[in-house]
Amino acid sequence: EDQVTQSPEALRLQEGESSSLNCSYTVSGLRGLFWYRQDPGKGPEFLFTLYSAGEEKEKERLKATLTKKESFLHITAPKPEDSATYLCAVQLGGYNKLIFGAGTRLAVHP
Amino acid sequence: EAGVTQSPTHLIKTRGQQATLRCSPISGHTSVYWYQQALGLGLQFLLWYDEGEERNRGNFPPRFSGRQFPNYSSELNVNALELEDSALYLCASRVSGANVLTFGAGSRLTVL
Repeated sequence: EDQVTQSPEALRLQEGESSSLNCSYTVSGLRGLFWYRQDPGKGPEFLFTLYSAGEEKEKERLKATLTKKESFLHITAPKPEDSATYLCAVQLGGYNKLIFGAGTRLAVHP
Repeated sequence: EAGVTQSPTHLIKTRGQQATLRCSPISGHTSVYWYQQALGLGLQFLLWYDEGEERNRGNFPPRFSGRQFPNYSSELNVNALELEDSALYLCASRVSGANVLTFGAGSRLTVL
Protein backbone atom coordinates (compact mmCIF):
# COMPACT_ATOMS: atom_id res chain seq x y z
CA GLU A 1 0.00 0.00 0.00
CA ASP A 2 1.28 3.46 -0.91
CA GLN A 3 2.12 5.37 2.25
CA VAL A 4 3.67 8.68 3.29
CA THR A 5 4.90 9.19 6.84
CA GLN A 6 6.14 12.45 8.30
CA SER A 7 8.20 12.83 11.44
CA PRO A 8 8.25 14.22 13.97
CA GLU A 9 4.56 15.03 14.41
CA ALA A 10 5.50 18.21 16.24
CA LEU A 11 8.77 20.08 16.68
CA ARG A 12 9.59 22.99 18.94
CA LEU A 13 12.71 25.02 18.17
CA GLN A 14 14.35 28.08 19.56
CA GLU A 15 14.94 30.88 17.09
CA GLY A 16 18.20 30.15 15.25
CA GLU A 17 18.19 26.43 16.13
CA SER A 18 18.49 24.53 12.83
CA SER A 19 16.73 21.19 12.34
CA SER A 20 15.26 18.83 9.76
CA LEU A 21 11.82 17.42 9.05
CA ASN A 22 11.48 13.97 7.54
CA CYS A 23 9.09 12.57 4.95
CA SER A 24 9.46 8.86 4.22
CA TYR A 25 7.45 7.07 1.59
CA THR A 26 6.72 3.58 0.37
CA VAL A 27 5.13 3.96 -3.02
CA SER A 28 5.43 2.45 -6.44
CA GLY A 29 6.14 4.71 -9.34
CA LEU A 30 7.02 8.01 -7.69
CA ARG A 31 6.68 10.85 -10.16
CA GLY A 32 7.41 13.74 -7.81
CA LEU A 33 7.50 14.85 -4.19
CA PHE A 34 5.96 18.11 -3.04
CA TRP A 35 6.45 20.19 0.10
CA TYR A 36 3.73 22.58 1.24
CA ARG A 37 3.44 24.94 4.19
CA GLN A 38 0.10 25.38 5.93
CA ASP A 39 -0.65 28.20 8.36
CA PRO A 40 -3.62 27.97 10.75
CA GLY A 41 -6.89 28.75 9.00
CA LYS A 42 -5.29 28.74 5.57
CA GLY A 43 -4.82 26.31 2.73
CA PRO A 44 -1.46 24.71 1.96
CA GLU A 45 1.06 26.94 0.20
CA PHE A 46 3.42 25.35 -2.33
CA LEU A 47 7.12 25.34 -1.45
CA PHE A 48 9.05 22.81 -3.57
CA THR A 49 8.79 19.97 -6.06
CA LEU A 50 11.51 17.31 -6.26
CA TYR A 51 11.60 14.73 -9.03
CA SER A 52 14.69 12.56 -8.67
CA ALA A 53 17.00 11.21 -5.98
CA GLY A 54 19.84 13.61 -5.26
CA GLU A 55 17.84 16.67 -6.24
CA GLU A 56 17.88 19.68 -3.90
CA LYS A 57 15.83 22.88 -3.85
CA GLU A 58 16.34 25.97 -1.69
CA LYS A 59 14.19 28.91 -0.69
CA GLU A 60 15.34 31.37 1.95
CA ARG A 61 15.96 29.33 5.13
CA LEU A 62 14.50 26.12 3.69
CA LYS A 63 16.23 23.38 1.72
CA ALA A 64 14.53 20.23 0.50
CA THR A 65 16.39 17.07 -0.47
CA LEU A 66 15.25 13.76 -1.92
CA THR A 67 16.53 10.19 -1.74
CA LYS A 68 14.93 7.01 -3.04
CA LYS A 69 13.01 6.47 0.18
CA GLU A 70 12.67 9.83 1.90
CA SER A 71 12.86 13.57 1.71
CA PHE A 72 14.17 16.05 4.22
CA LEU A 73 13.18 19.65 4.75
CA HIS A 74 16.11 21.40 6.39
CA ILE A 75 15.42 24.63 8.23
CA THR A 76 18.47 26.78 8.86
CA ALA A 77 18.40 29.43 11.61
CA PRO A 78 14.59 29.45 11.79
CA LYS A 79 12.59 32.51 12.77
CA PRO A 80 9.20 32.63 14.54
CA GLU A 81 7.52 33.34 11.21
CA ASP A 82 8.59 29.88 10.04
CA SER A 83 6.10 28.39 12.51
CA ALA A 84 3.55 26.39 10.52
CA THR A 85 2.57 22.86 9.58
CA TYR A 86 4.75 21.43 6.84
CA LEU A 87 3.14 18.86 4.56
CA CYS A 88 4.78 16.55 2.09
CA ALA A 89 2.97 14.77 -0.70
CA VAL A 90 3.99 12.22 -3.30
CA GLN A 91 2.70 12.17 -6.84
CA LEU A 92 1.89 8.85 -8.43
CA GLY A 93 0.80 8.31 -11.98
CA GLY A 94 -1.75 10.88 -13.03
CA TYR A 95 -1.83 14.15 -11.17
CA ASN A 96 -4.88 13.21 -9.14
CA LYS A 97 -2.84 10.62 -7.29
CA LEU A 98 -1.29 12.93 -4.73
CA ILE A 99 -0.82 11.24 -1.35
CA PHE A 100 -0.22 13.56 1.60
CA GLY A 101 1.48 12.86 4.90
CA ALA A 102 -0.15 14.03 8.14
CA GLY A 103 2.31 16.90 8.48
CA THR A 104 4.83 18.21 10.99
CA ARG A 105 3.74 21.09 13.24
CA LEU A 106 6.72 23.39 13.70
CA ALA A 107 6.82 26.03 16.43
CA VAL A 108 9.76 28.43 16.54
CA HIS A 109 10.08 30.46 19.73
CA PRO A 110 12.05 33.70 20.11
CA GLU B 1 -4.37 37.73 -9.52
CA ALA B 2 -7.10 36.36 -7.29
CA GLY B 3 -6.35 33.01 -5.70
CA VAL B 4 -8.62 30.03 -5.24
CA THR B 5 -11.69 31.17 -3.34
CA GLN B 6 -13.95 28.94 -1.29
CA SER B 7 -17.28 29.52 0.40
CA PRO B 8 -18.59 29.36 2.98
CA THR B 9 -15.66 29.69 5.37
CA HIS B 10 -17.52 27.84 8.09
CA LEU B 11 -20.62 25.69 7.97
CA ILE B 12 -22.46 24.00 10.81
CA LYS B 13 -24.93 21.23 10.06
CA THR B 14 -26.63 18.42 11.93
CA ARG B 15 -26.50 14.71 11.19
CA GLY B 16 -28.54 13.71 8.18
CA GLN B 17 -28.52 17.15 6.56
CA GLN B 18 -26.85 18.08 3.30
CA ALA B 19 -23.92 20.46 2.84
CA THR B 20 -22.86 22.33 -0.29
CA LEU B 21 -19.40 23.84 -0.60
CA ARG B 22 -18.25 26.07 -3.44
CA CYS B 23 -14.93 26.76 -5.11
CA SER B 24 -13.77 29.29 -7.68
CA PRO B 25 -10.42 28.39 -9.26
CA ILE B 26 -7.76 30.80 -10.37
CA SER B 27 -8.62 32.38 -13.70
CA GLY B 28 -7.34 30.16 -16.49
CA HIS B 29 -7.19 27.02 -14.33
CA THR B 30 -9.40 24.28 -15.73
CA SER B 31 -8.77 21.49 -13.19
CA VAL B 32 -10.30 21.52 -9.74
CA TYR B 33 -9.46 19.11 -6.94
CA TRP B 34 -11.28 18.54 -3.65
CA TYR B 35 -9.54 17.23 -0.53
CA GLN B 36 -10.76 16.45 2.96
CA GLN B 37 -8.48 17.32 5.90
CA ALA B 38 -9.75 15.76 9.09
CA LEU B 39 -8.11 16.64 12.40
CA GLY B 40 -4.76 14.87 12.76
CA LEU B 41 -4.93 13.25 9.34
CA GLY B 42 -3.32 14.08 6.03
CA LEU B 43 -5.25 15.49 3.14
CA GLN B 44 -7.43 12.81 1.59
CA PHE B 45 -8.23 13.08 -2.11
CA LEU B 46 -11.95 13.34 -2.81
CA LEU B 47 -12.65 14.39 -6.40
CA TRP B 48 -10.97 15.72 -9.51
CA TYR B 49 -12.78 17.73 -12.18
CA ASP B 50 -11.36 18.84 -15.48
CA GLU B 51 -13.12 20.62 -18.33
CA GLY B 52 -16.47 20.06 -16.69
CA GLU B 53 -16.13 16.33 -16.19
CA GLU B 54 -15.36 14.17 -13.17
CA ARG B 55 -12.01 12.51 -13.94
CA ASN B 56 -11.42 10.57 -10.75
CA ARG B 57 -12.68 10.14 -7.22
CA GLY B 58 -11.04 8.99 -4.04
CA ASN B 59 -12.13 6.29 -1.63
CA PHE B 60 -15.23 8.06 -0.35
CA PRO B 61 -18.87 6.93 -0.36
CA PRO B 62 -21.26 8.09 -3.12
CA ARG B 63 -22.89 10.62 -0.81
CA PHE B 64 -19.86 12.78 -1.59
CA SER B 65 -20.47 14.24 -5.03
CA GLY B 66 -19.91 17.38 -6.97
CA ARG B 67 -19.79 19.06 -10.31
CA GLN B 68 -17.85 21.59 -12.30
CA PHE B 69 -19.60 24.41 -14.10
CA PRO B 70 -18.80 25.87 -17.55
CA ASN B 71 -16.86 28.70 -15.89
CA TYR B 72 -14.72 26.00 -14.15
CA SER B 73 -16.04 26.78 -10.68
CA SER B 74 -17.01 23.73 -8.70
CA GLU B 75 -19.39 22.55 -6.04
CA LEU B 76 -18.98 19.73 -3.51
CA ASN B 77 -22.12 18.19 -2.08
CA VAL B 78 -22.19 15.95 0.96
CA ASN B 79 -25.50 14.20 1.61
CA ALA B 80 -26.73 12.44 4.73
CA LEU B 81 -24.06 14.08 6.87
CA GLU B 82 -22.34 12.00 9.53
CA LEU B 83 -20.34 13.21 12.52
CA GLU B 84 -17.09 11.98 10.96
CA ASP B 85 -17.63 14.29 7.98
CA SER B 86 -16.52 17.16 10.21
CA ALA B 87 -13.33 18.41 8.57
CA LEU B 88 -11.68 21.14 6.58
CA TYR B 89 -12.57 20.77 2.90
CA LEU B 90 -9.91 22.15 0.62
CA CYS B 91 -10.25 23.01 -3.04
CA ALA B 92 -7.24 23.32 -5.31
CA SER B 93 -6.86 24.29 -8.93
CA ARG B 94 -4.24 23.68 -11.58
CA VAL B 95 -3.68 25.09 -15.02
CA SER B 96 -3.38 22.56 -17.80
CA GLY B 97 0.23 21.47 -18.25
CA ALA B 98 1.44 22.80 -14.90
CA ASN B 99 2.53 20.59 -12.05
CA VAL B 100 1.50 22.56 -8.97
CA LEU B 101 -1.79 22.65 -7.12
CA THR B 102 -2.85 26.01 -5.67
CA PHE B 103 -5.13 25.62 -2.67
CA GLY B 104 -7.90 27.77 -1.30
CA ALA B 105 -8.26 28.56 2.40
CA GLY B 106 -10.86 25.82 2.84
CA SER B 107 -14.37 25.44 4.19
CA ARG B 108 -14.65 24.10 7.71
CA LEU B 109 -17.66 21.82 8.07
CA THR B 110 -18.88 20.91 11.52
CA VAL B 111 -21.52 18.22 11.88
CA LEU B 112 -23.35 18.13 15.21
